[in-house]
This record gives sequence, structure tokens and C-alpha cells, in this order.
Amino acid sequence: AQSVTQPDIHITVSEGASLELRCNYSYGATPYLFWYVQSPGQGLQLLLKYFSGDTLVQGIKGFEAEFKRSQSSFNLRKPSVHWSDAAEYFCATTSGTYKYIFGTGTRLKVLA
Amino acid sequence: KAGVTQTPRYLIKTRGQQVTLSCSPISGHRSVSWYQQTPGQGLQFLFEYFSETQRNKGNFPGRFSGRQFSNSRSEMNVSTLELGDSALYLCASRVDRGTSEQYFGPGTRLTVT
Repeated sequence: AQSVTQPDIHITVSEGASLELRCNYSYGATPYLFWYVQSPGQGLQLLLKYFSGDTLVQGIKGFEAEFKRSQSSFNLRKPSVHWSDAAEYFCATTSGTYKYIFGTGTRLKVLA
Repeated sequence: KAGVTQTPRYLIKTRGQQVTLSCSPISGHRSVSWYQQTPGQGLQFLFEYFSETQRNKGNFPGRFSGRQFSNSRSEMNVSTLELGDSALYLCASRVDRGTSEQYFGPGTRLTVT
């Protein structure tokens, strides 16, 4: 069965530092992958998506993600983190039945 | 274009009562999915509706039900509320059932006392 794993439950970075959030997927064919961000008490906002083609995907708010089939990964990156990026980040994929499968989330804390 | 709207945003109910939550998808979106989010269990899929038919269902008891109307608006109902039903209920819509991305509403915070 398809699955998504986010190995880091919490990550703390200093403002201005670079960020990489890890996501690993398991799926035989080319997966459809997404990153979402959730601020406390709010819904999820789509940051970026990968369907096919260029393996480096640009998203909103300065985020990007790289699809690496050899590593079964779709890690989210940002070169310079802002305090407003503090939130919870979810990696997701869709299954053959079109059901979304979410990772358990990574909570990002940004130090001033 | 307006986003996904959910009403009410906050709700307090007593154990044993029932509750109905509403979701209006983005105009033109025909698929609506519901999720329950709790600190302990994370994001859990409840069900998906497309063209007024339930297409996918998560592992929740029969107390959780939903429906979709011809205008794609959706409601979910929880009967005989339990304390453990306290959660943020999120609705998401997408254009169709393919691999298109989902867009989420702000959620309904349900507290059961």
C-alpha cells in the first residue's frame, strides 16, 4: 500500500537559516506528491505539487521541493526561513483509489 | 474565486448529541473530502463524495456519515457524540477525483463536553 513518511516530528531552525523537511514515499509507479502547510487552528494550504516532468518544483512562499526517485524522497526546502514560516508541514500523496495519504507532519519552530 | 468555506467554525456539543457540519467547495469543484484532525491521531480521512456519491471511506464508525448535494456542497453528520470526537474537522475540495490537488477549508472546531 502507498504510504508517506515524515521522519522528523519537530525541527527548529534560526531565522535566516536554510530549511529542509524530509518526506519519503512508497509507491511502485510515479507518485503524485504534495506539500501542505498548516498554521495553528487553520486549514491546510497547498505549497506545491509534483505530478511529472521537472523533478525540482517551485511553490509559493519561496519553497521548493525535489523529487528523487532513487531515494523515494520528496524533500521540501527553503533557502532562508522567516519567522512566519513557523507551522506544521504535511507531505501527501494520492493512491490508486484517489484517496489522499498524509504524513504525520513536521512541526517547524523558528528562532529569532 | 472564493475558497472552501466551512460552517460553523466553532461548535460546542454535549456527549450524546448529534452535529451537522457544512462545507461549500470551490466553484467548479465536484469532489469533497472530509478529515478529522486530532493531536493524538493526526489527519485521518473520513470520506470522499463525488457527484453526490460516496467514493471512498475511512475507518470510522457508522456514527459518522455524510452526503453531497447536486451543487457539490457537502455535509457531515456525527450522531451520538463522544468525548473523543472533539477535533478539527477539515473539508477539502478538488476539481475531480483524479490526481488533482485538494484545497482545504479553515475547518470546524468541534468540542464535545
